[in-house]
Amino acid sequence: NAGVTQTPKFRVLKTGQSMTLLCAQDMNHEYMYWYRQDPGMGLRLIHYSVGEGTTAKGEVPDGYNVSRLKKQNFLLGLESAAPSQTSVYFCASSPRGRVGNEQFFGPGTRLTVL
Amino acid sequence: GESVGLHLPTLSVQEGDNSIINCAYSNSASDYFIWYKQESGKGPQFIIDIRSNMDKRQGQRVTVLLNKTVKHLSLQIAATQPGDSAVYFCAENMGSSNTGKLIFGQGTTLQVKP
Repeated sequence: NAGVTQTPKFRVLKTGQSMTLLCAQDMNHEYMYWYRQDPGMGLRLIHYSVGEGTTAKGEVPDGYNVSRLKKQNFLLGLESAAPSQTSVYFCASSPRGRVGNEQFFGPGTRLTVL
Repeated sequence: GESVGLHLPTLSVQEGDNSIINCAYSNSASDYFIWYKQESGKGPQFIIDIRSNMDKRQGQRVTVLLNKTVKHLSLQIAATQPGDSAVYFCAENMGSSNTGKLIFGQGTTLQVKP
């Protein structure tokens, strides 16, 4: 049981390049989330999904797109990377979205945009 | 907008002492709160949670106190150990939402001195 895994662990992009971050969970969780964490700050929600085939915007969705084609995977895409997107990205999952269901986090992807 | 904030960015304690980390929240509709621990280079890890119908909840060496009157949350760590050194985040689930969306505070760094 690997929990929540993220690929890649590190990445350096040039401004304007695109990339996709992959999140996978093997806990059969319904809900999945993408956050970004900037230095000295807490986590901010980018997008989330309440089930396979569904996605919704979070607090800071601009510049990102997501897809949840399979229940176990949640992809975060950057179509045209900008230096402001330099951050550490965390994926999380939970069994349900209701109160009392903690979110389980992956190890993070450190992205630098030059 | 709503915010969850921590009173102190850094807390330094002596090994063996008790630690108290504070958190203020502003949304009176929040009904679920979680404390996460984040070690360097890792994703947040669940510590303990509490629902709004409770004032106190205890775990192993940790206690969370909730004061809804002043919208204040605290995490108490007994007999603090070097392994407790990390950044601690409080997070709130905003009431009527069934999506599990959490709002995170900025975090408090706990430093344990040997």
